[in-house]
Amino acid sequence: GQQVMQIPQYQHVQEGEDFTTYCNSSTTLSNIQWYKQRPGGHPVFLIQLVKSGEVKKQKRLTFQFGEAKKNSSLHITATQTTDVGTYFCAGRGSGGYQKVTFGTGTKLQVIP
Amino acid sequence: DTAVSQTPKYLVTQMGNDKSIKCEQNLGHDTMYWYKQDSKKFLKIMFSYNNKELIINETVPNRFSPKSPDKAHLNLHINSLELGDSAVYFCASSQWGPGNEKLFFGSGTQLSVL
Repeated sequence: GQQVMQIPQYQHVQEGEDFTTYCNSSTTLSNIQWYKQRPGGHPVFLIQLVKSGEVKKQKRLTFQFGEAKKNSSLHITATQTTDVGTYFCAGRGSGGYQKVTFGTGTKLQVIP
Repeated sequence: DTAVSQTPKYLVTQMGNDKSIKCEQNLGHDTMYWYKQDSKKFLKIMFSYNNKELIINETVPNRFSPKSPDKAHLNLHINSLELGDSAVYFCASSQWGPGNEKLFFGSGTQLSVL
């Protein structure tokens, strides 16, 4: 079945440093989404990318979808303590029924 | 108004018991899901319903039985609970159709089986 891996699993950064998490799927994706889960919270939708090579920005966050639609990345510029949490990518395969497979997640810690 | 609400928030029970988790969404979505998040924070889809019809049924033990009385509600009943069932269970909903996979999650039910 479809597998979606993320690296790194954990990342500690000093506040103000940049952070990047990478997402790789074993199969081609129709689209990819990114979610953020704060400690003790639930996943919250951040963005969806659909087109090959697409790049989207949300303030300090930059999201990319690979040309082959099998990988994606999330880059945070100048991290803040409010960025703490686990970031998940989630991809929908080419099959039907909207099955969204979540990546393994990257837990971000920001040291003030 | 909470968009996706699930109850209870915490559930502590003994092995062998039967328990239910309830979920309701007021977003007007057609599709609802149950996800399981284990201690390593991996999120795995268990079931999905579209307009009360089961459309995704992952490799989940028969002890887990979802029920959708209407498209705004999706419940999860678990029989003969086992230690390995301890996890956080998230309900989610979305609209139906390609490109509509944006998921709205409930706040989760932390299940602890002793």
